Amino acid sequence: SQKIEQNSEALNIQEGKTATLTCNYTNYSPAYLQWYRQDPGRGPVFLLLIRENEKEKRKERLKVTFDTTLKQSLFHITASQPADSATYLCALTGTASKLTFGTGTRLQVTL
Amino acid sequence: DAGITQSPRHKVTETGTPVTLRCHQTENHRYMYWYRQDPGHGLRLIHYSYGVKDTDKGEVSDGYSVSRSKTEDFLLTLESATSSQTSVYFCAISEPGQGGTEAFFGQGTRLTVV
Repeated sequence: SQKIEQNSEALNIQEGKTATLTCNYTNYSPAYLQWYRQDPGRGPVFLLLIRENEKEKRKERLKVTFDTTLKQSLFHITASQPADSATYLCALTGTASKLTFGTGTRLQVTL
Repeated sequence: DAGITQSPRHKVTETGTPVTLRCHQTENHRYMYWYRQDPGHGLRLIHYSYGVKDTDKGEVSDGYSVSRSKTEDFLLTLESATSSQTSVYFCAISEPGQGGTEAFFGQGTRLTVV
């Protein structure tokens, strides 16, 4: 069966450092991979989408890589700030644009 | 937030009672989805719609039904609520395109079945 794995343990980093979150998947060949941010009590918010033929995508302090051979995506936040503290969700796009989500990784950025 | 409104935002209901959650969008997006979010499971797709009166099952559809009579409204019904359906429910919308499709989520409905 399809499986998406994100590190379920919280990631704690110091302000100014680069946070790197990992998303691994099995039994899946997605055309797109997406990253969302979710704050407590709120719905997920779209951050970045990367296609299977793209290796890397950037948006401001965010960078996503997509390795279809390793079946892995890495999500980087450079110069992290306390406001970046949230849960980050990886999602794979299937038919009918249905999203299959990982369980998310909680990021805590401290001063 | 994109124009998505979920109602109610919170509900407590008794086991065995029917419950309907509503999702209303003002974006005219073709696709609408219902997800539930539980600790340790993440977001799981319940049902989705790809047009008016066109719906299909998701990963965890047992015990749920949906209806979409208008583009802007997508209803999720629990015919006879059970404690296992205690969860946070999210509605999402998307408009498919060649460049890939991002989803916009509502604020969620916290449902407690006692």
